[in-house]
Amino acid sequence: GEDVEQSLFLSVREGDSSVINCTYTDSSSTYLYWYKQEPGAGLQLLTYIFSNMDMKQDQRLTVLLNKKDKHLSLRIADTQTGDSAIYFCAESLPNAGNNRKLIWGLGTSLAVNP
Amino acid sequence: DGGITQSPKYLFRKEGQNVTLSCEQNLNHDAMYWYRQDPGQGLRLIYYSQIVNDFQKGDIAEGYSVSREKKESFPLTVTSAQKNPTAFYLCASSMGRRRNNEQFFGPGTRLTVL
Repeated sequence: GEDVEQSLFLSVREGDSSVINCTYTDSSSTYLYWYKQEPGAGLQLLTYIFSNMDMKQDQRLTVLLNKKDKHLSLRIADTQTGDSAIYFCAESLPNAGNNRKLIWGLGTSLAVNP
Repeated sequence: DGGITQSPKYLFRKEGQNVTLSCEQNLNHDAMYWYRQDPGQGLRLIYYSQIVNDFQKGDIAEGYSVSREKKESFPLTVTSAQKNPTAFYLCASSMGRRRNNEQFFGPGTRLTVL
């Protein structure tokens, strides 16, 4: 089946690290994505990882992928109040006609407390 | 300055009226998408188009219609047949038939039906 699950809420203190977790069920996913959505705005692509990678680091962001457990995480180092947002995990799966589709999680709302 | 624009940002309509939401992109992307976002339900795919003059239903197409006469434009019409149209609507685009189907989003239109 196709399902992506995330915890709905996470609260951290400013300056701490945040870890947002995601699990998926379809092993045929090739790319996995993290998007950020600020209140009343569209989604912003933060980073992505190819399924044959274990880790990807981009400045304060670290993505870890455990393909055996179908588990993806996003770590934000030195979390700032501007990081408060909803974070969506998505996986890319084959679709009809040599196309691909994204399966979305429900999003994790990150609250950063000063 | 490339990107995706959606207009208007806020839209109010009376029940029973059709309304059309605009989405334009100048990224030269082949594929375009419409999502609906409700609180606590993540993103749900309404329609998508991989190429001009062709589009497919997503998971919740009932009560909606689209057209793709130009590569740059993918307007969404919310018809009176849509039972609960009040929501946040997001348009996205991507390169299309690639393994990395990263999608780029517009700022969204919040539709309120009175």
